[in-house]
This record gives sequence, C-alpha cells and structure tokens, in this order.
Amino acid sequence: QKEVEQDPGPLSVPEGAIVSLNCTYSNSAFQYFMWYRQYSRKGPELLMYTYSSGNKEDGRFTAQVDKSSKYISLFIRDSQPSDSATYLCAMSEYGGSQGNLIFGKGTKLSVKP
Amino acid sequence: GAGVSQSPSNKVTEKGKDVELRCDPISGHTALYWYRQSLGQGLEFLIYFQGNSAPDKSGLPSDRFSAERTGGSVSTLTIQRTQQEDSAVYLCASSSSGGYGNTIYFGEGSWLTVV
Repeated sequence: QKEVEQDPGPLSVPEGAIVSLNCTYSNSAFQYFMWYRQYSRKGPELLMYTYSSGNKEDGRFTAQVDKSSKYISLFIRDSQPSDSATYLCAMSEYGGSQGNLIFGKGTKLSVKP
Repeated sequence: GAGVSQSPSNKVTEKGKDVELRCDPISGHTALYWYRQSLGQGLEFLIYFQGNSAPDKSGLPSDRFSAERTGGSVSTLTIQRTQQEDSAVYLCASSSSGGYGNTIYFGEGSWLTVV
C-alpha cells in the first residue's frame, strides 16, 4: 500500500459546480498537509496548507483534514474553467524546511464552460 | 528572476549518455529539493539540501543519480548512463528556512527523454 492514495480521475465538471478532491494516507505521523495545483507543463504551486486536523478556507477553496480517518479533502466552490489543472495532495511529518514531502499521484480536473 | 529557474527545459538524450540538469533556487532560500515526476505518477522525492548540512539522498533511485549544490545556491542533478526509464520531468524546488510550513516553490521542470 502506498503511503498516500489519490484518485487520478480524470474528473470533469460543469462550470459553477462544487468539486471535491480527496486523499487517504497510512502514516499517522503526518502532521502537515498541502494541496498543490499543477497546470500542464508547469511546476506545482502551493494552493493550501494545513497543520493537523481541521478546516482552512481561502476564497473558493476549503481544505479539510481528518487525522482520525487519515483523510484529507479539498473543496472548490463555484468552479471555473481556469481551475482546470491537476491537483496534488502532499504531506509530511515535519514543518518548515525539514525534509521531503510525500505526494499523491494527482487528480486531473477539467471544468467545462 | 523571482522564481526557481531550471535548465534545460527540454532534453533528449541517447540511452547510455550522461545528462546534467541545473537548478537555480530563489535567492536566499537555504533548502533545495529535487523531485521526479513520471507520466501518470506523483512526485517522487530524490534529494534534499538544507544549508551546510549533509544532503538527504534517501530518494535517489540508483547510484547512477547524484546531485551537488555549490556555494549553497545552484544545484546540478547528474544522471549517468541514462536508461529509458529515466525519462521523466525533473522538478527542482526551494524554500526558506524557518518559513511557515513547507512552502516549497517549484520550478517548471526539466523534461528528459531518453531514446
């Protein structure tokens, strides 16, 4: 079993839909959870960052972490065609610049106008 | 420039040849990472440099892979005797020590094709 599991999709939704992206993990020591967005032929860019369990909201994006279930989610409200990208979850035991991140394989999202 | 810079952006090489990939991190960033992204796969950690500490090489897949970081800034990832399975995007990233969480900034990658 991989440390981080993420459904690769592809996921296609109409503009304005609510999108739910998820990852599960096996390492209970993970404390830091991130979502990256990667456009085609570009490097990943940090979208959301959360520590431990709980919710974090930033505009149309909400990240949720449930450590008891080892499950994290990213919700996108009022999705736009510009949200079309691959979304990667990532996590680590350590914060700051202290080591590598473990990534999911990414979910490819397409938002149709 | 303001971001992480990688070169070459694209490289096609023959099987068995050596390749060097370069990364210029964001100025002032002490942490530098190399990741590999194969088609349909997530990012695979290769190596991590932090300041003057010994690098974490635990992700390097074989002894054909090596990396160095000169003067705490520019890094070079070297792949010797390339194989077709080495074809992937090699992503470099950097972050500042003591920053909020793992705010890692990625470059656009070096797309390597081994033929």
